[in-house]
Amino acid sequence: NAGVMQNPRHLVRRRGQEARLRCSPMKGHSHVYWYRQLPEEGLKFMVYLQKENIIDESGMPKERFSAEFPKEGPSILRIQQVVRGDSAAYFCASSPLKETQYFGPGTRLLVL
Amino acid sequence: GQQLNQSPQSMFIQEGEDVSMNCTSSSIFNTWLWYKQDPGEGPVLLIALYKAGELTSNGRLTAQFGITRKDSFLNISASIPSDVGIYFCAGQPSPSGNTGKLIFGQGTTLQVKP
Repeated sequence: NAGVMQNPRHLVRRRGQEARLRCSPMKGHSHVYWYRQLPEEGLKFMVYLQKENIIDESGMPKERFSAEFPKEGPSILRIQQVVRGDSAAYFCASSPLKETQYFGPGTRLLVL
Repeated sequence: GQQLNQSPQSMFIQEGEDVSMNCTSSSIFNTWLWYKQDPGEGPVLLIALYKAGELTSNGRLTAQFGITRKDSFLNISASIPSDVGIYFCAGQPSPSGNTGKLIFGQGTTLQVKP
């Protein structure tokens, strides 16, 4: 059973460009979470989605960030008009229930 | 907002020694999870705890869900070089409502000297 897949693993963008991060949950998992990690810090919750629904986006910045988990295909975290402060590692986790979350390898975003 | 205070921040120990780290909070948590993160990788789940007072082992790892629901500890016995990494506690706060979000501690960096 494959684990949580994320791609790309590394992404470089210039200020003002868009970043699209993809996450495929583990088979059978219908709950997806996105977290952000700055260097030498713990992970910070961003958003929680189920298929076609955003359940909790209390950790998402109000502007430029959006997330979706369509009926078919991976979950997407989209960052528009990136700024240097968006540079971080972005992790996706999935779970069959709300408690036990399994994490992907992350996408390291670098904004130049 | 809810916070988890994880300690110690870092540890440098000799191979074979036992290790203990803990997380505390002023808020109640429903679930405690312990993860290990290697450089450039995502957190890997080590132990999950769902009930106050629960004591669970996974090989050389033992973790407990504090009876007050405000703390948890992780012990590693007879450390080996591959135990090196960053250990995170994470909890699901109570009440959790409709969300499954986890709150993470700041991490404990473990280094093991062969």
